[in-house]
Amino acid sequence: KAGVTQTPRYLIKTRGQQVTLSCSPISGHRSVSWYQQTPGQGLQFLFEYFSETQRNKGNFPGRFSGRQFSNSRSEMNVSTLELGDSALYLCASSLGVAINEQFFGPGTRLTVL
Amino acid sequence: GIQVEQSPPDLILQEGANSTLRCNFSDSVNNLQWFHQNPWGQLINLFYIPSGTKQNGRLSATTVATERYSLLYISSSQTTDSGVYFCAVSNSGNTPLVFGKGTRLSVIA
Repeated sequence: KAGVTQTPRYLIKTRGQQVTLSCSPISGHRSVSWYQQTPGQGLQFLFEYFSETQRNKGNFPGRFSGRQFSNSRSEMNVSTLELGDSALYLCASSLGVAINEQFFGPGTRLTVL
Repeated sequence: GIQVEQSPPDLILQEGANSTLRCNFSDSVNNLQWFHQNPWGQLINLFYIPSGTKQNGRLSATTVATERYSLLYISSSQTTDSGVYFCAVSNSGNTPLVFGKGTRLSVIA
């Protein structure tokens, strides 16, 4: 069974630009969660989508948004990029009901210059 | 919200040594996972262990839910075991994982 895939793997942007990251979950998984990892803050939860609906949201500004499509693939968007948005963005998928074991993708490393 | 503390923050071992990593959490949990983050950043699932004991090769884990802690044992460590080990928990079916700060393990040949 294929794992979680994320594209692109690496991205370099400049301040003020926007970026879209993509995540394809494990086949059959309906929940997709996004996390941001930085050296200073560690791993922080951004949001979770289940059956195309945002089910949970972390404490991030409105510049961070996401969506989920009917095939469970998810995208997250960051608008008006800031230097502090440089991070590893990790996507996790799970069945989303009852058993909530999460499986992570390889991540997208975003650098904002 | 739930708090997760991992110890020690850093650990240096000679190849072949054994180690125990600890994860304390502040509330009851229904999901506890151990991950190994490889040098490229990917989180590799080690155990899904909200309670009980599991073993997988040289690794084993025990969670004592009533006392709010989990232990990850690594035996006969190898250089490929190096990396950061994270414990993550959630305390209801649909809440996100909360991660500890991790234990950075360095295994020296």
